[in-house]
Amino acid sequence: AQSVTQLGSHVSVSEGALVLLRCNYSSSVPPYLFWYVQYPNQGLQLLLKYTTGATLVKGINGFEAEFKKSETSFHLTKPSAHMSDAAEYFCAVIQAGTALIFGKGTTLSVSS
Amino acid sequence: DAGVIQSPRHEVTEMGQEVTLRCKPISGHNSLFWYRQTMMRGLELLIYFNNNVPIDDSGMPEDRFSAKMPNASFSTLKIQPSEPRDSAVYFCASSTTGGKNTEAFFGQGTRLTVV
Repeated sequence: AQSVTQLGSHVSVSEGALVLLRCNYSSSVPPYLFWYVQYPNQGLQLLLKYTTGATLVKGINGFEAEFKKSETSFHLTKPSAHMSDAAEYFCAVIQAGTALIFGKGTTLSVSS
Repeated sequence: DAGVIQSPRHEVTEMGQEVTLRCKPISGHNSLFWYRQTMMRGLELLIYFNNNVPIDDSGMPEDRFSAKMPNASFSTLKIQPSEPRDSAVYFCASSTTGGKNTEAFFGQGTRLTVV
């Protein structure tokens, strides 16, 4: 069965600091991997996705993630945090013909 | 396209009452998903339809929960009878199936409170 584990339910950074949100996956076949963001009282919005090809994927709002098969990881990074990045972030995995399975989420706080 | 549309946005009901949540997926999408979000359990997949057919309902918690998709543009999630522990935000999402374009688009959610 496929699953994702997000390390750290809460991450706090200062404005301008590096953002690193960790995600490890478990899948018996090559997975498709996603990061979604959820702002308060909103639905989920896709940040970026990895399907095949280049392992470093760039998304919206300056975020990027790198697929590392050897480490079964898909960590999300942003070089410089902005106050508007404060939100909850979800890593998700899918195999063909199935539904997205989400991690527990990581709440990102950004302080000035 | 207006995106995935869910109604109502908020629902407050008394324990024992029937609750119906509605979803209109994005036109042309052939997969539809219902998720439940709570603080304790995070985002849980309840049921997944493909071409209006339920594919995986293993996440439906009890027989009190039922979901239908009578056509490609409408789905309902019904709870009967409702209980306080059903209080959560329920999300509907839709996508095209498979391939590199697999991406689920989410509605704004329905916040259900059962008192």
